[in-house]
Parts: sequence; structure tokens; C-alpha cells
Amino acid sequence: DAGVIQSPRHEVTEMGQEVTLRCKPISGHDYLFWYRQTMMRGLELLIYFNNNVPIDDSGMPEDRFSAKMPNASFSTLKIQPSEPRDSAVYFCASSLAGGQGTYTFGSGTRLTVV
Amino acid sequence: DQQVKQNSPSLSVQEGRISILNCDYTNSMFDYFLWYKKYPAEGPTFLISISSIKDKNEDGRFTVFLNKSAKHLSLHIVPSQPGDSAVYFCAASALNQGAQKLVFGQGTRLTINP
Repeated sequence: DAGVIQSPRHEVTEMGQEVTLRCKPISGHDYLFWYRQTMMRGLELLIYFNNNVPIDDSGMPEDRFSAKMPNASFSTLKIQPSEPRDSAVYFCASSLAGGQGTYTFGSGTRLTVV
Repeated sequence: DQQVKQNSPSLSVQEGRISILNCDYTNSMFDYFLWYKKYPAEGPTFLISISSIKDKNEDGRFTVFLNKSAKHLSLHIVPSQPGDSAVYFCAASALNQGAQKLVFGQGTRLTINP
């Protein structure tokens, strides 16, 4: 298995533009998580899905952020409109039920909003 | 509010010596704790974990200690090697309550000097 695949690796966009981040989890994993890494707060959970259903989106900063998981092999995180404070590294991770919290992370998308 | 805190942003240790990374948590519902390691431009990878029913778990050079009364855990690396230079994240979950999500700390950057 190629692991969790995220695209793009880097994204530079202008303030106000729409940004879409993509994730392909490991086949067979039941859970998918979106995290954001910043210097001040470390890794923050934004939202997670179980069997494609959103379970907890309490970490989504505001209505500008939305996430979908239309099927077991694909998820998107969308920011519209983007702002400079959204600049961060966004990670997707997947895990198995009963996996004792051992996630497999993707390599992340570094987002820069100018 | 930061439920998992790593108060040392960075730590520098001589090769061959012991590295001790610390982590504090505030939520008494947490019952499972993990350490992840992250190299630049990569996603975090699982390193070691401990259940709240234990106070120590060892895996080769890595040992995690848990002090539930103090709500504190630590990761010991002995002996430290240059390849251990990375950012280390502490994470916690309420696994036995069915929670699959991990709450991460801010991370500690460990540098091993030759």
C-alpha cells in the first residue's frame, strides 16, 4: 500500500481564493482525520469521519472550512474564502477501528495564503 | 484550551546520553497516550503508546512513563542517536470511552548533537 496520499504537497494562493486539499486514505481503514499543524498550537484536529460519515467537526475553525468524504477512498478539505491566517500544514490521517489510536499520516499539504 | 501540553519547544542532547521529553494533560478522561515522531516534510509516525492501566512501557531504546496522579507522561530515549533528531508529539485519547480521536500537544523539537 502506498500509504495515505495527500495532494497537492504545496499550495500558494491569494487571499479570498478557494482552496481544496485532497486525501486518499489507506484502503480498508475505517477512520479519516484532518489535522492542521501550527507552531503555536501543534496538531489540531479539524474533523474526522467514520465510514465516510462526519463524526466530530468541532475543530473546524469557522464556516469558511468544509470537508467531505464522498466515498471510502477520497476526502476533501475546502477553504472558501482563504485568509492569510489559514497558512499552515494540513495533514490527513487514517486508521482502523480498534487500532489503538495508531494513525497513518500523509505527508501533508503546506498551504500559504498571501 | 490546550488539553495536552508540551512546555519545552526544543531540547538539545549529546549523542549517547538520555533524552527526556515531557508532556502534561488536563483531561482526566484520557486513558490512552501515544508519542509520535515527525521528520521535516513528512507526516508524523507512531512511536510508542501506553494505556492508563500501566505506568511504564518499553520498546527498545524508547520508554514511556505515565504518572496519572500528576497527569504527566514522559518519553525517555536511551542512548540518543543522531537519527532521533525530529519533532516529537505527545497525544492522548479517551479510547475506552469509544473516542477515536487523538488530542496532540504542540511538539518538542529534539536535536541530538554528535
